[in-house]
This record gives sequence, C-alpha cells and structure tokens, in this order.
Amino acid sequence: ELKVEQNPLFLSMQEGKNYTIYCNYSTTSDRLYWYRQDPGKSLESLFVLLSNGAVKQEGRLMASLDTKARLSTLHITAAVHDLSATYFCAVYAGNNRKLIWGLGTSLAVNP
Amino acid sequence: NAGVMQNPRHLVRRRGQEARLRCSPMKGHSHVYWYRQLPEEGLKFMVYLQKENIIDESGMPKERFSAEFPKEGPSILRIQQVVRGDSAAYFCASSPPLGTNQETQYFGPGTRLLVL
Repeated sequence: ELKVEQNPLFLSMQEGKNYTIYCNYSTTSDRLYWYRQDPGKSLESLFVLLSNGAVKQEGRLMASLDTKARLSTLHITAAVHDLSATYFCAVYAGNNRKLIWGLGTSLAVNP
Repeated sequence: NAGVMQNPRHLVRRRGQEARLRCSPMKGHSHVYWYRQLPEEGLKFMVYLQKENIIDESGMPKERFSAEFPKEGPSILRIQQVVRGDSAAYFCASSPPLGTNQETQYFGPGTRLLVL
C-alpha cells in the first residue's frame, strides 16, 4: 500500500530565508503533485512532476523529483509572507488515477 | 471557463439526516473524484467516477455513502443517516480525458459538512 510522508509538518520561517519541504513515498509511482491550500480554501495545483530528475520552478518555489529515492522536494527561496499556506504532496497510485496524499506542511512566513 | 463547482459550500445536518453534495466538473472534463479532509489532515480518496460509471470506490465507507455521476447533471455524493464523525470538508476534483494535460486534478471549493 502506497504511503506518503511529508516533513516537516509545521514550518515557521522568516521572510527572506530559504527552506525545503520533503515528500517521501513508499512504492513506485510515475507522477507526483504539489498543491497549495490556504485556510478554509480549496487546493491549488502547483506542480506536476512526471519523470526522474524532473525540476519545475514557479516564482520562489521549485520542485524536484527523484523516483529512485522516492523523494520529492519543494524548495522555497527568499520566502515572503504570501507563501504562508499548507503545502501538500500527492502521489499517483497508478490504479484508477487515485492520489495518495501527505499530511501537509503548514508554512508560516513571518516578517 | 468556469472551474469545478460545488454546492452547497456549507451544510449543517442533524444526526440521522441525509446530506447531498453536488459537484459540476470543469467543462470538457469527464472524470470526477471525491475526497474527504478531516481537520488538520490531508485528503483521503473516496471515489472516482466517469459518466454513468463508478471506476474506483475503494475509499468509500461500506455503509451510508454512495456516489453517482449521471449522464446529465452534476456528480452527487450522498451520505445517509449522518453521524458526527462525518463532519469534514468534502472536495470534488475533475480531470480531462486520459492522456491530456498531464492528468492534473482540479479542485472545487469544497463543501464543509457539520453534523450536530
């Protein structure tokens, strides 16, 4: 059974600093998603990573995928307050498009 | 192009009542997924449907829960005889046909169900 673990679960950081969120998964998968959720809101798709070594960047966020290590990272560069949200990784279970989700990383960026 | 639409956004029910949650997928999307999110937790897959077909319902509780996606109209998630433990946010997502747009699932705003 596919399991997805994120760490850290909570992250408080200062504006301008860099940090990385990690997402490990337990069995082979060919795609991984990162989503953002603001409190009380829906989920916004950030990245879809499809192959080993894939790297995607959007603004201050960069995501990468290592399928051999079953690891994805979401790197935050020079954080700003607007990035405060909960970030989820979700891994494609393969059968019938099911997504298995991590518990999320709650990020607070402080001035 | 409207996004995924869900209604109601908030629903309050007393124990034993029925809850009906509706989801209209994005235009051109033929695949619908339902997820449940408990407070401070990630999402749990419930069911995956295509028009008139349930493809995977492995995440659905065996009793009281059912889902449909008729040929015409929205997808419906139905919870009969609700209990307090059913209180959660229920998200619907849709995706385009297989092989297009990297199969990203686009989420609706969710229905927050509170059972008193």
